[in-house]
Amino acid sequence: SQTIHQWPATLVQPVGSPLSLECTVEGTSNPNLYWYRQAAGRGLQLLFYSVGIGQISSEVPQNLSASRPQDRQFILSSKKLLLSDSGFYLCAWSAGGNEKLFFGSGTQLSVL
Amino acid sequence: LAKTTQPISMDSYEGQEVNITCSHNNIATNDYITWYQQFPSQGPRFIIQGYKTKVTNEVASLFIPADRKSSTLSLPRVSLSDTAVYYCLVGGMDSSYKLIFGSGTRLLVRP
Repeated sequence: SQTIHQWPATLVQPVGSPLSLECTVEGTSNPNLYWYRQAAGRGLQLLFYSVGIGQISSEVPQNLSASRPQDRQFILSSKKLLLSDSGFYLCAWSAGGNEKLFFGSGTQLSVL
Repeated sequence: LAKTTQPISMDSYEGQEVNITCSHNNIATNDYITWYQQFPSQGPRFIIQGYKTKVTNEVASLFIPADRKSSTLSLPRVSLSDTAVYYCLVGGMDSSYKLIFGSGTRLLVRP
């Protein structure tokens, strides 16, 4: 069966510090991968998605970036965090052609 | 890119049937309609998916009219544990798999 791992669960970072969130999927190959962010009490904002290794589509150009170094690994990064980067970050995957998204457990990021 | 519109919130009582409608006027030919449930501090969880007509599983039914410009999620006999936010998501190959969530419907089930 397929599983998705996302870590860490919580993170407290100072403004201006770097960020690296990692997500890995097991039990499937060539998944579509997604990063979403959710502010408190709000909906899910699509940040990045990838339909293959090295293919990244960005929806939020700000100070975040994403990379997909391996087929089942998706990394969200920032060189310098802003206060506005605080939120609940969710990684998700789907099998191409079947838009059922399966989400990780999320990372609650607080930038202070 | 199909945009979805849902009611912001709904109230119900335990044991009632709840129907949440989603509007997606610009749905593309190959787009699927998928519904998710989200509890606080958790990722959304898949409920049901359909392409046309009616789909039923052990937790919900999904009704899709012939023009596919809307869909209705039906939750039979809700319980307190069904209090959550429900999202309708439309997307697929035609939108290059760009899956954008709408604002969702906050369902409150009262005793």
